[in-house]
Amino acid sequence: NAGVTQTPKFRVLKTGQSMTLLCAQDMNHEYMYWYRQDPGMGLRLIHYSVGEGTTAKGEVPDGYNVSRLKKQNFLLGLESAAPSQTSVYFCASSYSSGDLNTEAFFGQGTRLTVV
Amino acid sequence: QQQVKQSPQSLIVQKGGISIINCAYENTAFDYFPWYQQFPGKGPALLIAIRPDVSEKKEGRFTISFNKSAKQFSLHIMDSQPGDSATYFCAATIGGNQGGKLIFGQGTELSVKP
Repeated sequence: NAGVTQTPKFRVLKTGQSMTLLCAQDMNHEYMYWYRQDPGMGLRLIHYSVGEGTTAKGEVPDGYNVSRLKKQNFLLGLESAAPSQTSVYFCASSYSSGDLNTEAFFGQGTRLTVV
Repeated sequence: QQQVKQSPQSLIVQKGGISIINCAYENTAFDYFPWYQQFPGKGPALLIAIRPDVSEKKEGRFTISFNKSAKQFSLHIMDSQPGDSATYFCAATIGGNQGGKLIFGQGTELSVKP
């Protein structure tokens, strides 16, 4: 059972380049999330999805786009990378249990550097 | 706007001591308060969680204390061990159809000295 898998694990981009980060989960979870982690800032929510074909903005969505075409996959896109997007990106997933929130499972992270 | 504030930013504890990390929140609609543990190079993993209908939850050496009226909660690690050295994040989320999205505190880097 792989859990949440992120691809790639490391990437260096030049300013203005684009890229897509892939997240795949094999737990049949409804909810998926993209966070970025920066020193002293904790983890901040970029975008999230409550189901296939639906996405919503989080705390820091500017400069990012997402898509959830399949239930098991959640893609994060950077159209024109900026140095401010240098960060560690984490994908997570959780399942819906009525009104109660449940544990979120995180991937191993993608370390992105924009030069 | 930081909805969940965590302190201290870093903490050094001797082996066998008690580690205490505090968090405060603003949104009274939060109804689930998990703590996540993160080792270097890894993703966060759930350590322990509490709902606001109880004031304390204990799992092994880890205890969450929750004060609803003060809008504060804390993590206590008893008999701290070097293997507990990690970054700890408190978080909060809202139930219902809110998508379970977590709002994290800033994190506490814990170092347990042998």
